[in-house]
Formats: sequence, C-alpha cells, structure tokens
Amino acid sequence: GENVEQHPSTLSVQEGDSAVIKCTYSDSASNYFPWYKQELGKRPQLIIDIRSNVGEKKDQRIAVTLNKTAKHFSLHITETQPEDSAVYFCAASIDYKLSFGAGTTVTVRA
Amino acid sequence: KAGVTQTPRYLIKTRGQQVTLSCSPISGHRSVSWYQQTPGQGLQFLFEYFSETQRNKGNFPGRFSGRQFSNSRSEMNVSTLELGDSALYLCASRLAANTGELFFGEGSRLTVL
Repeated sequence: GENVEQHPSTLSVQEGDSAVIKCTYSDSASNYFPWYKQELGKRPQLIIDIRSNVGEKKDQRIAVTLNKTAKHFSLHITETQPEDSAVYFCAASIDYKLSFGAGTTVTVRA
Repeated sequence: KAGVTQTPRYLIKTRGQQVTLSCSPISGHRSVSWYQQTPGQGLQFLFEYFSETQRNKGNFPGRFSGRQFSNSRSEMNVSTLELGDSALYLCASRLAANTGELFFGEGSRLTVL
C-alpha cells in the first residue's frame, strides 16, 4: 500500500514568517494529494488539494507544490498568523483511497 | 445542511469488551470512511463503505469491523478491546467514493481501561 512520510513532526514559527511542511509518498500511481488542518479539539478540514497533473496550486496564503519525479509534495504557508496554529496532515491517494502522513503540529508564536 | 454526526462522543470500556460506534453522514453523501487517530500516528485508515459495500480496507485486525445501512449511516464495531485501541475514531463522508474532499465528524473518543 501507499506510505506517506511527513516532516517535520513539529514546527514553531514567528508570526509573519513562512512555514513549510514536506511529504513524500511511495507509490508513483498516487494521483491526488490533499492537505487537512485540524485545530485543537476540532475535526480535520480540507484546506487545499492538488492533482497529479498540476505542479502548483495557491489559495491566498497557502500553496502546495508537487514534484512527481521525486514523489514529494509540500505545503507552504506565508505570513503566518495565530489562527494557523494547528496540526496539518498531508495525504496521498490512489483511486481515492487516502493514506495520511503522521501530521505536523504548527505553533505560531506571537 | 447538517454535518457528519458521530455517537457517542466519549466512552470508556474495559479490556475484552466490545464497542459499537455510529456515524451519520451528510445528507446525500453515500461514502463513509473510518479512521483511527492516535498521537504520533496520524490518521490510520480503517475502511470505507459505499452503497452498503466495503470498498477499501486498511491494515487492522479482524476485531475491527463495520457496516453501512441503506440510509448511508454507518457503524463500526471493535470486539475484544485491547488497551491499544484507545484512540479517537473519526468518521468521514463524501459524496461518492471517487470524489476528493472528506467531511469529518468530531469523532468518538474511546478509552480502554
């Protein structure tokens, strides 16, 4: 099955700085890569996703990049704000069966 | 539109017991997935149901089982509970098994003593 590794496991950034989370996947057949955000005590919610025929996608302060050759994809958050503090999960999907990474706990320091 | 609803939200069981968790998907969603969330392990996929049929299954022992009813509501059952089964169990629904976004419930937190 698909194996997704996510780094770092924790990330502390100063408010206003950028945050980058990286994920690698094992199966080159993976074709859908979503990112979910889970705030403390709340349910995970989709924040952005990318398909294998696209190299980059942006939505306001967040962006995702995909390198199919290297089998890795990354989440970029610019101008971080306190509300960005949460656990972020990447996932890779083959035929819409999702395999999640272990998560990154992001803390934005005021 | 109501979101994904899971019951019960919290429960405590002892080793050897069994437990049944329930999930009501968003109206119109026919696919329901179950995940186990533990610290450091992320979201571990248990299984997915679509139109009452199990479409995918994760790498969990046979003690973990599930089903889906004709109204798309789903249940998962864990028999012979072990201490390691303590976790947050999340249910997620989506419109169909071949669409992307998962809509998660708030989860059922199971503690096994």
